[in-house]
Amino acid sequence: GDSVTQMEGPVTLSEEAFLTINCTYTATGYPSLFWYVQYPGEGLQLLLKATKADDKGSNKGFEATYRKETTSFHLEKGSVQVSDSAVYFCALSWGAQKLVFGQGTRLTINP
Amino acid sequence: GAGVSQSPSNKVTEKGKDVELRCDPISGHTALYWYRQRLGQGLEFLIYFQGNSAPDKSGLPSDRFSAERTGESVSTLTIQRTQQEDSAVYLCASSLRGQGSGYTFGSGTRLTVV
Repeated sequence: GDSVTQMEGPVTLSEEAFLTINCTYTATGYPSLFWYVQYPGEGLQLLLKATKADDKGSNKGFEATYRKETTSFHLEKGSVQVSDSAVYFCALSWGAQKLVFGQGTRLTINP
Repeated sequence: GAGVSQSPSNKVTEKGKDVELRCDPISGHTALYWYRQRLGQGLEFLIYFQGNSAPDKSGLPSDRFSAERTGESVSTLTIQRTQQEDSAVYLCASSLRGQGSGYTFGSGTRLTVV
């Protein structure tokens, strides 16, 4: 079945560092891909998405590009802030079908 | 409403009791989903509704779990004879029907079985 694999956490960085959180997927065809974020004490929020190959999703300085050749959707940010500390989930879906989530990556940014 | 509303936000129940969790989706969202998030873990899919039918209920962990939805509105997730392993945050999400639609999640119900 379809699955999503994220880099294992937790990840700890200093403020202004470059961030990459790896995500790869296994699926037949080309699903839509998402990054969700869960800030401490808050609900899950959509961060960005891409619906077809080579699309780039972006939001709040974060970017991810849908790479069909490597079945990847890595999350990147050029300069992280303390406020980016959260748990990040990569996910895929087919149309209105269920989301399939990765296991989540806890990110901590130190001042 | 403006967002997905879940109630109660917190529920503490004794082992063996039944609980009902409620989800009000965004108006007009035909698709509704239930997920479970155990402490420190990822999200587990439970059930998906399209309108008031459930084409995918493959994630319900046992026959103690059931869910229903009225039309394209409110859904309730019922857990009978609760066990301690049922303790988790239960998340509801809704989405518009169609390709690539994002999902809007509620804040969840934190269930603690003591």
